[in-house]
Amino acid sequence: DTGVSQNPRHKITKRGQNVTFRCDPISEHNRLYWYRQTLGQGPEFLTYFQNEAQLEKSRLLSDRFSAERPKGSFSTLEIQRTEQGDSAMYLCASSPMLTGPHEQYFGPGTRLTVT
Amino acid sequence: GESVGLHLPTLSVQEGDNSIINCAYSNSASDYFIWYKQESGKGPQFIIDIRSNMDKRQGQRVTVLLNKTVKHLSLQIAATQPGDSAVYFCAENSGRDGNNRLAFGKGNQVVVIP
Repeated sequence: DTGVSQNPRHKITKRGQNVTFRCDPISEHNRLYWYRQTLGQGPEFLTYFQNEAQLEKSRLLSDRFSAERPKGSFSTLEIQRTEQGDSAMYLCASSPMLTGPHEQYFGPGTRLTVT
Repeated sequence: GESVGLHLPTLSVQEGDNSIINCAYSNSASDYFIWYKQESGKGPQFIIDIRSNMDKRQGQRVTVLLNKTVKHLSLQIAATQPGDSAVYFCAENSGRDGNNRLAFGKGNQVVVIP
């Protein structure tokens, strides 16, 4: 399967714990995006990488959130000291460079539940 | 599924009928609009897109209409099939400097009745 993959698919954690999610984009896709989606809402942009460089971060990305893409391939999103409001679906998307916005291919997401 | 909520606008349509889903956008500077379909347990899937210099674009069984005057976007699905049951989102390209980040609207759930 050459699509975007995300792990884990589900994560249940207690408030205050740290969690880390992984995204493996489509091979050779230069751009990688993280979005967050809550129930009944559309995905909200969190951050964006071009290769290993993090070029934009949303105001939604508080200082408890950090994302990395160290080798320009897979990416990780870490949430420290989780809060109940962090419960959401975290979606990753990738796209080739120099293409339009419709070329974003989404993964299945990681559903986070903070108890 | 993760995109189904109590307050999600829902369109129930008989199999074989046409569906129309509407979306209002806010950023008059957006130059690219996209419709996504999201099935339960999956990420959004691209359906069709349209540039701001167009007012209509057709795909296979789908048509997107853009009215920039009132900032309105619609998706028409012809001969709706059970596999069309999903949540549909419109999105606009709100990125600067070519980063292509997307701003999504609220979803519309389509339920196809066999």
